[in-house]
Amino acid sequence: DIQMTQSPSSLSASVGDRVTITCRASQGISNSLAWYQQKPGKAPKLLLYAASRLESGVPSRFSGSGSGTDYTLTISSLQPEDFATYYCQQYYSTPLYSFGQGTKLEIK
Amino acid sequence: EVQLVQSGAEVKKPGESLKISCKGSGYSFTSYWIGWVRQMPGKGLEWMGIIYPGDSDTRYSPSFQGQVTISADKSISTAYLQWSSLKASDTAMYYCARRDYGDGGYFDLWGRGTLVTVSS
Repeated sequence: DIQMTQSPSSLSASVGDRVTITCRASQGISNSLAWYQQKPGKAPKLLLYAASRLESGVPSRFSGSGSGTDYTLTISSLQPEDFATYYCQQYYSTPLYSFGQGTKLEIK
Repeated sequence: EVQLVQSGAEVKKPGESLKISCKGSGYSFTSYWIGWVRQMPGKGLEWMGIIYPGDSDTRYSPSFQGQVTISADKSISTAYLQWSSLKASDTAMYYCARRDYGDGGYFDLWGRGTLVTVSS
């Protein structure tokens, strides 16, 4: 199984900050990576796929990068509505998908 | 509107059986895989399994193989997740999600979730 490890597990930041979340796979996943945002009591929402492709309707302040085993989600200028938990998901070993453990982004 | 509508919250006792549902609308239900994801209280997302309603091809995460059954009825555009004997540890929110149409494996459409509570 491919294990996904996110860091940090939690993060405090202020509105306007630039934030980066990292996801590391236990083996290379060839950019087969998605990022999701989940707010309390809500379903996850797809933000990016193929490591760097923005889902339709997602603000451009969200971006993704990486290759091989290491990937990042960057929010260029935090907005109040961005405080949530973020998950990465690999789909390289389809259909044996796996998620990272999540990164909780909190207001400082 | 393209959406997945999940059945309502359930409260069950250990040992009871349960089947929850996920109805797709606004798109060709038989052309997209539907996955199930568990989220235990205060925890992260766990992929459980996936089904292709067009031919009922089903795959399970090794962690959930034998613990649950995933099925679909394409005539009513509905996927199901069922348990034959619930345990307290099955208490969780369960989401269904549509996998993208192409060769990817990300989930682009999610249901609102079904909360399952198992308690004596």
